[in-house]
Amino acid sequence: QVALVESGGGVVQPGRSLRLSCTASGFTFSNYALHWVRQAPGKGLEWVAVISYDGSIKHYADSVKGRFTISRDNSKSTLYLQMNSLRGEDTAMYYCARDQPCRGGSCYHLDYWGQGTLVTVSS
Amino acid sequence: NFMLTQPHSVSESPGKTVTISCTGSSGSIASNYVQWYQQRPGSAPTTVIYEDNQRPSGVPDRFSGSIDSSSNSASLTISGLKTEDEADYYCLSYDNNSRGVFGGGTKLTVL
Repeated sequence: QVALVESGGGVVQPGRSLRLSCTASGFTFSNYALHWVRQAPGKGLEWVAVISYDGSIKHYADSVKGRFTISRDNSKSTLYLQMNSLRGEDTAMYYCARDQPCRGGSCYHLDYWGQGTLVTVSS
Repeated sequence: NFMLTQPHSVSESPGKTVTISCTGSSGSIASNYVQWYQQRPGSAPTTVIYEDNQRPSGVPDRFSGSIDSSSNSASLTISGLKTEDEADYYCLSYDNNSRGVFGGGTKLTVL
């Protein structure tokens, strides 16, 4: 069965860095694009970033562009999110999710999600 | 920037039908597929509709999705409401720069 497990969250001071990981199992990791989505406490979902199946194409939300980097290691079935220059507004639960292609390519159908890892940015 | 707008909350009685809208701010919402996610407290989201109107296996046919180009909106309709349908619902699409866009979410209360 498909499983996505996030790790790496914690409490970090503003301006510092953190790297999140998402380890996948139960499917051929290298065949799928993957996303990061976050949710601030008591707030709605916010799309963060996507990476193509081979890592060659990446897109970011304006709120994180230039500070966050999405990457993947297909040999380890692991997705990453490097977060630099963290701010209070980055405090959120961070989810990784698999992209299930639609007819004609990606349509942002996130069919499997992890349970999330909590990042708290606070001094 | 492209945005999706949802009502903050809706409520309806068990057995009734409710529709949640998701309105695009610009362009044609019909240009890119819309997905709908259900999220219960403390849990990750799950898909209830993908590709505008497709139901994943395991989602009851009480859930349906549609697109209305005239109002530039997508809609999620839930018929025969059950108390277990009480949750937050989010629409998701993407813009012309391949950036994902979620609606703000709608809290469904079944009372």
